Amino acid sequence: QQQVKQSPQSLIVQKGGISIINCAYENTAFDYFPWYQQFPGKGPALLIAIRPDVSEKKEGRFTISFNKSAKQFSLHIMDSQPGDSATYFCAPQNTGNQFYFGTGTSLTVIP
Amino acid sequence: DTEVTQTPKHLVMGMTNKKSLKCEQHMGHRAMYWYKQKAKKPPELMFVYSYEKLSINESVPSRFSPECPNSSLLNLHLHALQPEDSALYLCASSQTGVRNQPQHFGDGTRLSIL
Repeated sequence: QQQVKQSPQSLIVQKGGISIINCAYENTAFDYFPWYQQFPGKGPALLIAIRPDVSEKKEGRFTISFNKSAKQFSLHIMDSQPGDSATYFCAPQNTGNQFYFGTGTSLTVIP
Repeated sequence: DTEVTQTPKHLVMGMTNKKSLKCEQHMGHRAMYWYKQKAKKPPELMFVYSYEKLSINESVPSRFSPECPNSSLLNLHLHALQPEDSALYLCASSQTGVRNQPQHFGDGTRLSIL
């Protein structure tokens, strides 16, 4: 778990604003970089993921930016909505099919 | 609805009881996982099964005993648990043989130890 550092721990954003969550890792054997979204009482669900041969991926309001040299990747949520209020985890995967979860970010979007 | 089904959703048991958690998936995934999640914490990996064989045990106490009877089913047998074992237990599965595949999680079993 200590191989992955996620920030911030919590985030409060106004509706319509941009939410940014960061993940830094140490293990150069990671080759898949997903973000998971978890609502209370539910299991984590894949939100968006990126491979290291791409620097950015966008799906709707969600964008991953990946900086291989800095060993960092971030999640950007544009036009944040109250329904986006959840806990977000980065969980990079190594070549052995094992995932390492970040510490999580609790996002609250205020109407 | 998730594609990984976990039963029961809630379980309350005493420290001397024996119970089992069940996980089922029909996506043809050959890697299956058990995680433990405490409130406001990330999931902690407990066990990984690959092609029905235990491949990773993250030094989990023997009061937790996993079992993978077939490629669709994963069980976690519980015996003589402690109050600190109260948590959300998550099952997940993923595709094998293909790189960069996500995990698919169930909604978990909320376990309370009295």
